[in-house]
Amino acid sequence: KAGVTQTPRYLIKTRGQQVTLSCSPISGHRSVSWYQQTPGQGLQFLFEYFSETQRNKGNFPGRFSGRQFSNSRSEMNVSTLELGDSALYLCASSLESPTISGNTIYFGEGSWLTVV
Amino acid sequence: DAKTTQPPSMDCAEGRAANLPCNHSTISGNEYVYWYRQIHSQGPQYIIHGLKNNETNEMASLIITEDRKSSTLILPHATLRDTAVYYCIVRVAQGSNYKLTFGKGTLLTVNP
Repeated sequence: KAGVTQTPRYLIKTRGQQVTLSCSPISGHRSVSWYQQTPGQGLQFLFEYFSETQRNKGNFPGRFSGRQFSNSRSEMNVSTLELGDSALYLCASSLESPTISGNTIYFGEGSWLTVV
Repeated sequence: DAKTTQPPSMDCAEGRAANLPCNHSTISGNEYVYWYRQIHSQGPQYIIHGLKNNETNEMASLIITEDRKSSTLILPHATLRDTAVYYCIVRVAQGSNYKLTFGKGTLLTVNP
């Protein structure tokens, strides 16, 4: 069974541009969450989607957005990129809704974004 | 904010058991304890999670104290490939939804 797949794995963007990252959850998983990891701030929660609806949101500016499709695949978008957006962006998936407290949650390998 | 406290680093000899402690004194009744590990530049790897009973799988054992205020992750026979940052996380509710909030974790170094 394939794990969580994220594309692209590496990318370089210029300040002011926008970027879209893609995540394919484990087959059958319906919940997808996104995290940002930087050396200074560690792993920070961005948002979570279940059944195409955003269920949870972290403390990030509106430049960070996401969506989930009917096949549970998800994308996140960052507009007007800043140097500080350089980070590892991680996607995670789980079978059930985030209202279930004991879900098993699996992470992908991440997308490395460098903003220059 | 993370609800857990972990030592920043630990060492373990190859072949010995690695016991990683975690304090979560403010845990609520239906909040699970999760453990993940992360090897540099890779995504976090799920290890185990539990609510109140001890749990064991092919990777590790999770021992949760009776009052649920602390837990220990046990890697029974550590290998060099177990060197990683280990995160203990209490999945807390935000409204009606639960989320993982990562802290700084414990850097476990397994020495030959």
